Amino acid sequence: GNSVTQMEGPVTLSEEAFLTINCTYTATGYPSLFWYVQYPGEGLQLLLKATKADDKGSNKGFEATYRKETTSFHLEKGSVQVSDSAVYFCALTPMDSNYQLIWGAGTKLIIKP
Amino acid sequence: DTAVSQTPKYLVTQMGNDKSIKCEQNLGHDTMYWYKQDSKKFLKIMFSYNNKELIINETVPNRFSPKSPDKAHLNLHINSLELGDSAVYFCASSLRLQNTEAFFGQGTRLTVV
Repeated sequence: GNSVTQMEGPVTLSEEAFLTINCTYTATGYPSLFWYVQYPGEGLQLLLKATKADDKGSNKGFEATYRKETTSFHLEKGSVQVSDSAVYFCALTPMDSNYQLIWGAGTKLIIKP
Repeated sequence: DTAVSQTPKYLVTQMGNDKSIKCEQNLGHDTMYWYKQDSKKFLKIMFSYNNKELIINETVPNRFSPKSPDKAHLNLHINSLELGDSAVYFCASSLRLQNTEAFFGQGTRLTVV
């Protein structure tokens, strides 16, 4: 079946540190891949996406590359800020019958000044 | 203008009561969703509607009943509320069913006492 696995949190980093949040997936065909971010007290919002292999999604200094060979879509940022503290969700839409978004469990990121 | 708006933002009610949460999107999208997020931030899809037609109805107690009077609205009615229904409920919409970005409302925090 389709599934998304992302690293457990919380992930705690100091400001300006390098961030990686791992995400791997299982899906048939070529799913689209997404990272969503949820700031405290808010709904989720799309951070970036990639729709085919080797695509790189980027936004607000965050990047993720669609790696078909390793079935991964790891989120990276070169220098995090306190304002990046949030919960990050990896998700995919598979190419099967109902196309519903399949979600990872979310990774809480805490950035300390 | 808020793209996906849901009301109320907070709802505190006693066990056994019936309550409704309303959702409206002004994006012209075809597809709308209800999600439940538990205290560990895990997201679970409950329902999705495409052009007012029910597409996904996950294993949700039949005390939960969605209603879509038109494409722009998807309401959630809950009968005989239980303590375990306490969670944050998110409405979301997407342009169409397949592989598109989901836009989320701010959430409704339901507390059953």
